[in-house]
Amino acid sequence: AAGVIQSPRHLIKEKRETATLKCYPIPRHDTVYWYQQGPGQDPQFLISFYEKMQSDKGSIPDRFSAQQFSDYHSELNMSSLELGDSALYFCASSLSASGGVYQETQYFGPGTRLLVL
Amino acid sequence: AQSVAQPEDQVNVAEGNPLTVKCTYSVSGNPYLFWYVQYPNRGLQFLLKYITGDNLVKGSYGFEAEFNKSQTSFHLKKPSALVSDSALYFCAVRDRDSPNSGYSTLTFGKGTMLLVSP
Repeated sequence: AAGVIQSPRHLIKEKRETATLKCYPIPRHDTVYWYQQGPGQDPQFLISFYEKMQSDKGSIPDRFSAQQFSDYHSELNMSSLELGDSALYFCASSLSASGGVYQETQYFGPGTRLLVL
Repeated sequence: AQSVAQPEDQVNVAEGNPLTVKCTYSVSGNPYLFWYVQYPNRGLQFLLKYITGDNLVKGSYGFEAEFNKSQTSFHLKKPSALVSDSALYFCAVRDRDSPNSGYSTLTFGKGTMLLVSP
């Protein structure tokens, strides 16, 4: 079965540079989530999109922005990178259930490992 | 606010023995509960979830979890551990009664490293 695809898998940037991470959800999934996992940490929610609209916002820095496109893929744009941004960035996708009962499981991609030097 | 506690940083068990990885949660409403497993340098893999109904949930790879509302727990269990089960396990919760429960984030515990020895 098709899974969540993230690119690139690894990225090395220098301080103050910008980075763009891409996420391609499981086909027919309409919701995308972004998480940041620091070394030895649990995943922290950044932001999510449902049907191309931002649906929830977590601990995303102002230097970061994201969007979901008409084909449901999403991009996380990171500017003025700092050393502390080095982490594993996960994208997850889900399919919202009908009838207003949201029981969907979030399926995670393999992650993009970002290293800021 | 919702939160998850995984009281053990690490659980050690011998292969063939039963294993339990503990999880307790806190939500203002009713919970959706999830277990994920993370292998080194890999993404999170979904194991199982509790939505409603039977308190005992069966998932992938022989894992199961029991929802206990009175104790606000959702412990992960497996009758007979395998060395290949060694990985990092995360419990996560979503409050299904929050205003935006359809889109709300998963809140993860800090994770429990399971080590299964041969």
